[in-house]
Amino acid sequence: QQQVKQSPQSLIVQKGGISIINCAYENTAFDYFPWYQQFPGKGPALLIAIRPDVSEKKEGRFTISFNKSAKQFSLHIMDSQPGDSATYFCAAGSSASKIIFGSGTRLSIRP
Amino acid sequence: DADVTQTPRNRITKTGKRIMLECSQTKGHDRMYWYRQDPGLGLRLIYYSFDVKDINKGEISDGYSVSRQAQAKFSLSLESAIPNQTALYFCATSDPSTSGGETQYFGPGTRLLVL
Repeated sequence: QQQVKQSPQSLIVQKGGISIINCAYENTAFDYFPWYQQFPGKGPALLIAIRPDVSEKKEGRFTISFNKSAKQFSLHIMDSQPGDSATYFCAAGSSASKIIFGSGTRLSIRP
Repeated sequence: DADVTQTPRNRITKTGKRIMLECSQTKGHDRMYWYRQDPGLGLRLIYYSFDVKDINKGEISDGYSVSRQAQAKFSLSLESAIPNQTALYFCATSDPSTSGGETQYFGPGTRLLVL
């Protein structure tokens, strides 16, 4: 019930395309859904996060779509750029529990 | 200067050796965490501490121990290292008082190789 399942494991997208990474959770008590971005040789860093009271949150080219009934959320990267090449982790948590991370997606943007 | 620092950044050790990884933070956060990262497995929690007197096991604590020496310092020890503990280790901090959600702040990682 604590798992967060993330797919795909790896993704290759052409420059200018849309990158989509999906996550699903089981624990309905989760109320905080962040995405972290990790560049090689660095620790993960918060990219964008959403609470379940909204279905979408957009920050620049990055958008989280949230489907509470399906217990799924996804990250969309519009106009993907080579600088977006990184590993992305979804996560879920609540005020009463620690954050649970997904297994990660290695994204490569081809020029 | 980095808010969360880890030492060493890289370490090679032999099976059976005791090794300590250290983490220091200047963010003033009470909560600290140790994770390991393996390809395809994401970030898995080893231990976490919500304040100096609080230590909790994560999902993969076997073979590891921790010490919270002060609010700013949280150390991870491998009492007798084994090859399957070869991984990238991250320390993180968080502040539960942050409105909107509890962001985790990660250190740069320690790459450990156990031969």
